[in-house]
Amino acid sequence: DTGVSQDPRHKITKRGQNVTFRCDPISEHNRLYWYRQTLGQGPEFLTYFQNEAQLEKSRLLSDRFSAERPKGSFSTLEIQRTEQGDSAMYLCASVLGNNEKLFFGSGTQLSVL
Amino acid sequence: GEDVEQSLFLSVREGDSSVINCTYTDSSSTYLYWYKQEPGAGLQLLTYIFSNMDMKQDQRLTVLLNKKDKHLSLRIADTQTGDSAIYFCAESSGYSTLTFGKGTMLLVSP
Repeated sequence: DTGVSQDPRHKITKRGQNVTFRCDPISEHNRLYWYRQTLGQGPEFLTYFQNEAQLEKSRLLSDRFSAERPKGSFSTLEIQRTEQGDSAMYLCASVLGNNEKLFFGSGTQLSVL
Repeated sequence: GEDVEQSLFLSVREGDSSVINCTYTDSSSTYLYWYKQEPGAGLQLLTYIFSNMDMKQDQRLTVLLNKKDKHLSLRIADTQTGDSAIYFCAESSGYSTLTFGKGTMLLVSP
């Protein structure tokens, strides 16, 4: 499978716990994006990386959220002290160079109880 | 800020054509996209169009862009039950930071 891979597919956690998600982009795709999708809404941009550099962060990304892409390949998104409002599908996407075809993974569905 | 609007629901019969409409507000949009999402799944890129194009056809899919009115449409010919899904319109002014609409649920009945 050469698509964008996300792990885990589902995560259930209690309020106040920390969670971390992983995204493996398509090989050689240098740009990687995180989006969040809540029920009945379209995805909303959170942040993106070009190689290992985090170039843009949405105001939706509170200080409880941190994303990394240490070697310019896979990325992690961590949410600290989760709140019920963090419950959503977290989508990762990648794109190659100046190509504007953005490919999404299947997402991680987070439920905060 | 940028806004993308779509009708929420469309119901068609199998074999008919479906037309899903979208309007956007950002006049600097350079790329416009259509994505498909099936229940519990991620987004599948169907097609995209550069803003200097009026039309793009790809098999059963036809995208029409009216840049003056900031209106985008997706026509699916010979709609099948497997086309039932949520369809998202999205726009980007570059670097793939997409702004999505809320999605149009397409229901295809036999």
